Amino acid sequence: QKEVEQDPGPLSVPEGAIVSLNCTYSNSAFQYFMWYRQYSRKGPELLMYTYSSGNKEDGRFTAQVDKSSKYISLFIRDSQPSDSATDLCAMTGNNYKLTFGKGTLLTVNP
Amino acid sequence: NAGVMQNPRHLVRRRGQEARLRCSPMKGHSHVYWYRQLPEEGLKFMVYLQKENIIDESGMPKERFSAEFPKEGPSILRIQQVVRGDSAAYFCASSPMGSLRTDTQYFGPGTRLTVL
Repeated sequence: QKEVEQDPGPLSVPEGAIVSLNCTYSNSAFQYFMWYRQYSRKGPELLMYTYSSGNKEDGRFTAQVDKSSKYISLFIRDSQPSDSATDLCAMTGNNYKLTFGKGTLLTVNP
Repeated sequence: NAGVMQNPRHLVRRRGQEARLRCSPMKGHSHVYWYRQLPEEGLKFMVYLQKENIIDESGMPKERFSAEFPKEGPSILRIQQVVRGDSAAYFCASSPMGSLRTDTQYFGPGTRLTVL
């Protein structure tokens, strides 16, 4: 079993839709959870960062962490064509060694 | 403010040659991390360095791979005697401190290595 599982998609939605992305993990030591966005041929850029369980909202983005289920989610409201990218979940327990999911390829159609 | 710089952006090597990948962290950052992204795979941690020190190299293959972050100059990831399986995107990240609770890893644009 991989430490982090993420459905690679692809996921195609119309502009304005609500997008739901998620990851599951097996390592109960993970405490810090992140979502990164990677555009084609670019490096990952941090979208959201949360510590332990709970919700965090930032603009159109909401990150949820459920440590009891080992499940994290990212919700994107009012999706835009500029959201078209690969979104990756990442997590760590020791503060620096990030473990990434494979990423979900998202396309938002105008 | 310049972000994390990596060069070259693309590197082509023949089997058996050496590959040198360079990473200049963001200004004020003294912690550097290298990750590898194989085709159809997620990013995998390779090594964590501070100036003149390797802190954690648990993700580095035991042979042919080495990394350094000298007192002056960029961090270098060196791959000797490359094989086709080394073809991947190599990303460098940097942070001002080693703790995730107070900072974030900022990624460079990556070096795409192709081994012929």
